Amino acid sequence: DQQVKQNSPSLSVQEGRISILNCDYTNSMFDYFLWYKKYPAEGPTFLISISSIKDKNEDGRFTVFLNKSAKHLSLHIVPSQPGDSAVYFCAARGNNAGNMLTFGGGTRLMVKP
Amino acid sequence: ETGVTQSPTHLIKTRGQQVTLRCSSQSGHNTVSWYQQALGQGPQFIFQYYREEENGRGNFPPRFSGLQFPNYSSELNVNALELDDSALYLCASSLRGTGLHEQYFGPGTRLTVT
Repeated sequence: DQQVKQNSPSLSVQEGRISILNCDYTNSMFDYFLWYKKYPAEGPTFLISISSIKDKNEDGRFTVFLNKSAKHLSLHIVPSQPGDSAVYFCAARGNNAGNMLTFGGGTRLMVKP
Repeated sequence: ETGVTQSPTHLIKTRGQQVTLRCSSQSGHNTVSWYQQALGQGPQFIFQYYREEENGRGNFPPRFSGLQFPNYSSELNVNALELDDSALYLCASSLRGTGLHEQYFGPGTRLTVT
């Protein structure tokens, strides 16, 4: 039973355009969501997060939107750069679950110059 | 300040064998979490250690066990290896009480079971 799903395994975007990565979840007890970026041969690195009490969080070129009623979140990257090419994971934490994270399967983003 | 390191980088084992993977926490961190990432999937939480005790466990059988040492480094042990144990094993360290965004991952150990 996958509680966090990223339905697009890959996404290709032109440099300078917007990248939109999507994530759906089923567990209504999740209270905190994070996006990680992963390059080959490296561990995931934290990108941006959002608490369930908010619907938007912005950090530079990265914005995360949360729609609790739809149990959906998305990561927007504007403008996309070739260096953004990586695998992106969304992750969620259950209420009172400490640091235990439930990850989606990842989306490979390719930004073409 | 050194980051999270893991050893070995790669490992090949035979079904039925036992394996030990190692993780050194980032300086100042006292909590270590282990994740299994199968090919094409996201990381799955195995367990977490804090103050040398298991502090939360995911849906993994008892043949997956761990240790945390007084210097906060950690080991993941897997007994009776199965082919499906082939995966990238990630550890992540953090300081208890800080935000999740302060959890840092190591580069992982790629385990192949033949």
